[in-house]
Amino acid sequence: ILNVEQSPQSLHVQEGDSTNFTCSFPSSNFYALHWYRWETAKSPEALFVMTLNGDEKKKGRISATLNTKEGYSYLYIKGSQPEDSATYLCALNTGNQFYFGTGTSLTVIP
Amino acid sequence: ETGVTQTPRHLVMGMTNKKSLKCEQHLGHNAMYWYKQSAKKPLELMFVYSLEERVENNSVPSRFSPECPNSSHLFLHLHTLQPEDSALYLCASSQELWSRAQNTEAFFGQGTRLTVV
Repeated sequence: ILNVEQSPQSLHVQEGDSTNFTCSFPSSNFYALHWYRWETAKSPEALFVMTLNGDEKKKGRISATLNTKEGYSYLYIKGSQPEDSATYLCALNTGNQFYFGTGTSLTVIP
Repeated sequence: ETGVTQTPRHLVMGMTNKKSLKCEQHLGHNAMYWYKQSAKKPLELMFVYSLEERVENNSVPSRFSPECPNSSHLFLHLHTLQPEDSALYLCASSQELWSRAQNTEAFFGQGTRLTVV
């Protein structure tokens, strides 16, 4: 069993605040890393696929960075809005199988 | 709307019942997956199908039986389940096997919330 750790487990921020959370994984197993956004009662929605060390990807106010040597990825949300409230999942692709973290649950308070 | 549809959305079944979960995708994808999410646990892969052939079965009990009659449909047949099988069951699909291609995305359904009583 391979551990993909996400922290914090949950987070409450005020509207307008910027925030970030972490996905940690064993660097020796890295092939690709996926970030998903999962709103309650909806499907997980793909945000980013990250494949190269030093990758930085951006979609609107959300961005992600990747460090494959030390085995972590950060997800940043700038100027959080209530509609950003969701669980953010990361998944490590080892080239053989996917391993998901348990997610960071974000609540943005208006 | 991801293009992956799961039915039913909610299911309550007794331990002696037989039921089936259905997943449908019209994205032209060749690989389909069943995942299980129990409370406070990560998504667990159950089954993988590629071009309608099962390529992976992650030590799932035989009371769960998958079926992939064609590349657009995936079923999970359930019989004599236990209360600890209560969970969210998610279906996903991808163009090719998700783990083999670095940039392939998987598209998920909304899941079936299963309660075994």
